[in-house]
Amino acid sequence: EAGVTQFPSHSVIEKGQTVTLRCDPISGHDNLYWYRRVMGKEIKFLLHFVKESKQDESGMPNNRFLAERTGGTYSTLKVQPAELEDSGVYFCASSQDEGDTEAFFGQGTRLTVV
Amino acid sequence: QKEVEQNSGPLSVPEGAIASLNCTYSDRGSQSFFWYRQYSGKSPELIMSIYSNGDKEDGRFTAQLNKASQYVSLLIRDSQPSDSATYLCAVIGTSYGKLTFGQGTILTVHP
Repeated sequence: EAGVTQFPSHSVIEKGQTVTLRCDPISGHDNLYWYRRVMGKEIKFLLHFVKESKQDESGMPNNRFLAERTGGTYSTLKVQPAELEDSGVYFCASSQDEGDTEAFFGQGTRLTVV
Repeated sequence: QKEVEQNSGPLSVPEGAIASLNCTYSDRGSQSFFWYRQYSGKSPELIMSIYSNGDKEDGRFTAQLNKASQYVSLLIRDSQPSDSATYLCAVIGTSYGKLTFGQGTILTVHP
């Protein structure tokens, strides 16, 4: 069974540019989460999808971040325009269904804004 | 006060010894507790989950939970060099599915 897959693995962009990160959860997993780790800090929650609906987006830092999950399958996280403080590793995780609290993580996308 | 606190280490133990990793959390309503292992450049990997007070054993790993003290620990018996990694404590509080992580403890097992 394929795990959680994230694309790209690395991205280096200039301040002011746009970047889109993609996450493919484990097939059949309704819950999809985005997390971020900035250097020297702990992994922090960004948002949670249940199928195609945003269940909780309390961790989204500001309106430069837009997450979508059309059709309830893969998800994208777009940062527009990117700022230097957006640099970090963005993780995606998924879990199967309501009540399932054990989440499986992707390898992350390392975003560097220069 | 951080929501989930871990000693960042590094914690260094000899091969074959017991490694003890500790974590405290601030939300008394927390119900689910997890330990993830993360090798450098890799994804966090779930190694233990615990939901009720007491001990839970899985192979060389034992998780311990004390909700009254708001304390979770992970013991690794017969530590191996391959156990060298960052160990992340994570907690789910009142927001369904939302993990709150500690900073992680770096464990080094030396031969």
